[in-house]
Amino acid sequence: QQQVRQSPQSLTVWEGETAILNCSYEDSTFNYFPWYQQFPGEGPALLISIRSVSDKKEDGRFTIFFNKREKKLSLHITDSQPGDSATYFCAASSGSWQLIFGSGTQLTVMP
Amino acid sequence: NSKVIQTPRYLVKGQGQKAKMRCIPEKGHPVVFWYQQNKNNEFKFLINFQNQEVLQQIDMTEKRFSAECPSNSPCSLEIQSSEAGDSALYLCASSLPGTGGDTQYFGPGTRLLVL
Repeated sequence: QQQVRQSPQSLTVWEGETAILNCSYEDSTFNYFPWYQQFPGEGPALLISIRSVSDKKEDGRFTIFFNKREKKLSLHITDSQPGDSATYFCAASSGSWQLIFGSGTQLTVMP
Repeated sequence: NSKVIQTPRYLVKGQGQKAKMRCIPEKGHPVVFWYQQNKNNEFKFLINFQNQEVLQQIDMTEKRFSAECPSNSPCSLEIQSSEAGDSALYLCASSLPGTGGDTQYFGPGTRLLVL
């Protein structure tokens, strides 16, 4: 059972554009949603996170939009840079310690 | 930037051999997690500890996998008899206190290849 789904599987944008990465979940007990950025050969790095009491979280060029009713969230990366090219994972937790990860979106930013 | 240290970065074993990897969590992080990330980018939670005590583990780790987090020593994950399907990136994460364990910071991983 895939509890956290991500789309698209891969995304290509031009430098300066906004990349939109989508995530949805099934378990209504999930209340914490971190996004991780992973470069090849490295571990995932925590990028930004949101708790279910909020509908938006912003950190520089990265913004999470959260819709609790629809069980959907999205990560917007504005002014995308080639250095943002990586795989992005949406994860979820219900406070039960372990994170449930989506399958990732591979982002390519063309210069 | 995460300060979780994992060694070795790469590990090559034959089928049936033991494979052991180590993790030093961020200083002051009481909870340590092990995940397996396969070549399809699927993450599988294996086990977690708070201080030296196991909090949760999946059934798989009760058979060929063992893990420990002794005081004043690195945490470790060991596969007793490696199988080809164990080839994956093994990630250690540690958790910031007071967050219920869900804010997790990952190390660079140990990439295991079982020939």
